Amino acid sequence: EDQVTQSPEALRLQEGESSSLNCSYTVSGLRGLFWYRQDPGKGPEFLFTLYSAGEEKEKERLKATLTKKESFLHITAPKPEDSATYLCAVQEGTSYDKVIFGPGTSLSVIP
Amino acid sequence: NAGVTQTPKFQVLKTGQSMTLQCAQDMNHNSMYWYRQDPGMGLRLIYYSASEGTTDKGEVPNGYNVSRLNKREFSLRLESAAPSQTSVYFCASSETQQYFGPGTRLTVT
Repeated sequence: EDQVTQSPEALRLQEGESSSLNCSYTVSGLRGLFWYRQDPGKGPEFLFTLYSAGEEKEKERLKATLTKKESFLHITAPKPEDSATYLCAVQEGTSYDKVIFGPGTSLSVIP
Repeated sequence: NAGVTQTPKFQVLKTGQSMTLQCAQDMNHNSMYWYRQDPGMGLRLIYYSASEGTTDKGEVPNGYNVSRLNKREFSLRLESAAPSQTSVYFCASSETQQYFGPGTRLTVT
């Protein structure tokens, strides 16, 4: 069964304390892996797409990496404005339109 | 360029009432989606439309119907609302990554 899990469920960091969020997936064929950021009361906002193992993407303090079984979202020297829920989603290879979302990691960055 | 818009933003229904959630996108995307988001359960796909004139069931389609009115618009209808349909509903469109609307917060009492 296709599945996406994320850990930890919640993470509390001090400002400047770097860490990583994990997304593990089980799909029959990976077409793409997506990271989204969701602020309270808003829709998810696209961050990155990764297509193949070894690929990396960066944006400001965020860096996403991909292996054959999981993806990491590394947050370097986070600021309070990075506080949000981070969602991972996997596009399964046999169906262009089938996207499976993980439950998310709620990140709080304390000043 | 508004992206994906949804109406209404909030709605309260009584059990058994019906309503339609509206969604429109101005990015000329072929694919459109309806999700519901519940605490601890993440985003679950209700229905999607790969192109104008086609719709397919997602993970949780029971109790819902959809219409892809044209390339821009994709509506979600609840024919007889139930308390289990209390949720936040998101519409999205895509060519590769998905772009989401702001959501509709629905409460069924």
